Amino acid sequence: DTEVTQTPKHLVMGMTNKKSLKCEQHMGHRAMYWYKQKAKKPPELMFVYSYEKLSINESVPSRFSPECPNSSLLNLHLHALQPEDSALYLCASSLPRGGQATDTQYFGPGTRLTVL
Amino acid sequence: GENVEQHPSTLSVQEGDSAVIKCTYSDSASNYFPWYKQELGKRPQLIIDIRSNVGEKKDQRIAVTLNKTAKHFSLHITETQPEDSAVYFCAACFSGTYKYIFGTGTRLKVLA
Repeated sequence: DTEVTQTPKHLVMGMTNKKSLKCEQHMGHRAMYWYKQKAKKPPELMFVYSYEKLSINESVPSRFSPECPNSSLLNLHLHALQPEDSALYLCASSLPRGGQATDTQYFGPGTRLTVL
Repeated sequence: GENVEQHPSTLSVQEGDSAVIKCTYSDSASNYFPWYKQELGKRPQLIIDIRSNVGEKKDQRIAVTLNKTAKHFSLHITETQPEDSAVYFCAACFSGTYKYIFGTGTRLKVLA
C-alpha cells in the first residue's frame, strides 16, 4: 500500500474559524511533511516531522500549527487564517524503516483550502 | 541558499516527438533527484528518480540523466503521447536532510 490519505478534500473557512487538516499513511514511513501549493507554483515546504518530532519548520506563521499524534498521523491546525493562505495543502511521507533520509516521497491528494 | 532552477517553463511538442526538461541545483551535497508529474487538480506523482551515484536511469519512455560536476539533471520523454501533458517538477534532496527543494515546474503540452 503506497497511499497517503488526506481529509477533507475541500475546506472553506472564515478568517475567525479554527479548523484542522488530517493526513494518514500506513506505509510505516518515519517522516511526514506538509506542503503548501499555490496555483501554477511548485509545492512549498512548510513542516517536516521525523520520528514524530518536528525537524523542519520553514518559518511558517504561527496561525499554522502542526501536530504528529503518532507515526501514522499528521495534523495541521489552522486558526485566524488570511485569504492569501488559500491554496492546496499537500501531505507527504517518506523514509521506510531502515531507509535513508532521501527516500522517495509519496504525496496525498491534498486539501483545497479557501479562506474567505 | 538552496535553489533548483528548471527550464523551460512551458514546452509544446508534437505527439511522437521527444521532450527534454532541465534542472540545475545549487548544493553540491544533494544526492537524490526525483521527478514528479502533476495533472490538473491532482497530487504530484513520482515518475522517475536518480541518486548521485548513478549517471543515468531509464524506465520505458522516460529517462533521467545526472551530471554531478555541472550540477544539473534532465528528464527525457520519448515518443510523447497526449496523456503526457501535465506539469513536471524536478526536485533535489540535500544529503542528510528531509528537505526537498522543488524546481519551478514545466508545463508540457503534447499536441495530437
